[in-house]
Amino acid sequence: QQQVKQSPQSLIVQKGGISIINCAYENTAFDYFPWYQQFPGKGPALLIAIRPDVSEKKEGRFTISFNKSAKQFSLHIMDSQPGDSATYFCAASMDNQGGKLIFGQGTELSVKP
Amino acid sequence: ETGVTQSPTHLIKTRGQQVTLRCSSQSGHNTVSWYQQALGQGPQFIFQYYREEENGRGNFPPRFSGLQFPNYSSELNVNALELDDSALYLCASSFARNEQFFGPGTRLTVL
Repeated sequence: QQQVKQSPQSLIVQKGGISIINCAYENTAFDYFPWYQQFPGKGPALLIAIRPDVSEKKEGRFTISFNKSAKQFSLHIMDSQPGDSATYFCAASMDNQGGKLIFGQGTELSVKP
Repeated sequence: ETGVTQSPTHLIKTRGQQVTLRCSSQSGHNTVSWYQQALGQGPQFIFQYYREEENGRGNFPPRFSGLQFPNYSSELNVNALELDDSALYLCASSFARNEQFFGPGTRLTVL
């Protein structure tokens, strides 16, 4: 089953805190896992992505942790800021399907000042 | 470098009508994918075009069709519009199977 499950649906974090969003997938053929950030009225913007040959990738305040055996991956936002308030989507794809992205249901993050 | 652009921004149609949405891919990108995003949901893959040929299709009926032009821009056509077609339609461009970059979307409302 080609499905990606994302949690939590919504998240409230204080400024300076750590935001953690989790995703789980079923299909072990997935080989590319991006995270997108979407502001209201805008298209999703690529934040960071990982492939299953590494367990962690960090770019600035954003880190992806990947657990291949558990078929789970997560996004950590360090030192969360009010400007990070947006909806975050995890996704997965397989190279042999031309990069068709399967998205999670999204997490609405609100960072309180 | 110009990003992905889409037109129009908003569109209102009635049931049964036909609509055409347009997308210009980012410079250097040769692949365009279309997604439908219902309110409060993640984007759903409609289809992808590579070198002017359809290269994969999601679970959407044949009344959803598309084109890619030699300059890699693309169109999404939807015939016989239904109320459930109301959504944000997103275009994403990439170079082959690399990272996909999304445009701002077209908000379609079907009355």
